[in-house]
Amino acid sequence: NAGVTQTPKFRILKIGQSMTLQCTQDMNHNYMYWYRQDPGMGLKLIYYSVGAGITDKGEVPNGYNVSRSTTEDFPLRLELAAPSQTSVYFCASSRGGNQPQHFGDGTRLSIL
Amino acid sequence: GENVEQHPSTLSVQEGDSAVIKCTYSDSASNYFPWYKQELGKRPQLIIDIRSNVGEKKDQRIAVTLNKTAKHFSLHITETQPEDSAVYFCAATLITSYGKLTFGQGTILTVHP
Repeated sequence: NAGVTQTPKFRILKIGQSMTLQCTQDMNHNYMYWYRQDPGMGLKLIYYSVGAGITDKGEVPNGYNVSRSTTEDFPLRLELAAPSQTSVYFCASSRGGNQPQHFGDGTRLSIL
Repeated sequence: GENVEQHPSTLSVQEGDSAVIKCTYSDSASNYFPWYKQELGKRPQLIIDIRSNVGEKKDQRIAVTLNKTAKHFSLHITETQPEDSAVYFCAATLITSYGKLTFGQGTILTVHP
């Protein structure tokens, strides 16, 4: 089992560019999450999904979009990248709302 | 929404000592409280969690206590080792809220040999 896999690991974007952060899990988990972690801070929830076709906003959704067409994949889309979106992005999955969340290795994104 | 405060922000101990990290939460309905360990440049990893129907849970050198009345929970690490050095995050959620975790700000634990 690979668990939760995120790509790419690192990326530098220019202001105004767009990109998609990929996340896939092979544990057949229904619940998936996207967090961002700013330097020296805790994680903040961007979006989450409780199953294919179902997504909802978290605490800091502005500037991001998600989709969930399959159980395995939960990509995060950045449109019109801004310097404030420089962060480390973590994807996580779990079997349910009261179950442990398993994190990917993260994507370190810099926007210059 | 939920708010989680974590203290201290940094903690330095000698190897073999105990370490205690405390978190307070604002939403009395929260009922699931996980703790994560994050080594530098790595992913957060769950080390222990507790649900509100339990006051204490222990796993070898790690324990978590929960005081629902005071709305705080604590991580206790005994017999600390240098490999315990990391950033520790507490979190809270309401089980019926789809696992939307609210994290504390983190505690940098340094264990000196």
